Amino acid sequence: GAGVSQTPSNKVTEKGKYVELRCDPISGHTALYWYRQSLGQGPEFLIYFQGTGAADDSGLPNDRFFAVRPEGSVSTLKIQRTERGDSAVYLCASSAGVQGETQYFGPGTRLLVL
Amino acid sequence: AQSVSQHNHHVILSEAASLELGCNYSYGGTVNLFWYVQYPGQHLQLLLKYFSGDPLVKGIKGFEAEFIKSKFSFNLRKPSVQWSDTAEYFCAVNARTGRRALTFGSGTRLQVQP
Repeated sequence: GAGVSQTPSNKVTEKGKYVELRCDPISGHTALYWYRQSLGQGPEFLIYFQGTGAADDSGLPNDRFFAVRPEGSVSTLKIQRTERGDSAVYLCASSAGVQGETQYFGPGTRLLVL
Repeated sequence: AQSVSQHNHHVILSEAASLELGCNYSYGGTVNLFWYVQYPGQHLQLLLKYFSGDPLVKGIKGFEAEFIKSKFSFNLRKPSVQWSDTAEYFCAVNARTGRRALTFGSGTRLQVQP
């Protein structure tokens, strides 16, 4: 597969639980983005990695959300003490790391917090 | 802060009709502009983008968009739609320099009737 992959495709959890969402970017892409899409809305930016470091985390809604990319490839979005309002589709995108380029999106993880 | 407005939330057309979807953005600097499409059951994919040069941009599947700087607009057009164009369309913008995160509009759902 040459595209961005995300696992799991669906995740159901209970309020207060911890979840991890995984993103595997296109091979060789140095930039990786996380977005969140609620029903009827466009995607909203969460965090952007250039290599291993978070270059822009201004979109993270609060300190329950955290993301890592330890080796500059796969990234994990971590949500602590989940709330019902966290229910959404979490999208990952990657790009080659050049200004103005295309971000390629994965299929998303649909998170439902009961 | 950047913002993107898509005025048409739901558009219904018959096959062979012409399409124009509106997109206006708000941003104080120079921008890159994108149209993404999400077909039913599929992930977001790029239709076309404007980075610089000719403000009339041609994309895949016969779509085009025109960047009108004075109007802060980037409207999407297609002269004759097909049933297979049924999808959700998102306009997005990011800064030419600096912040790379995309800001999306809320999307337009296009339904083409055969």
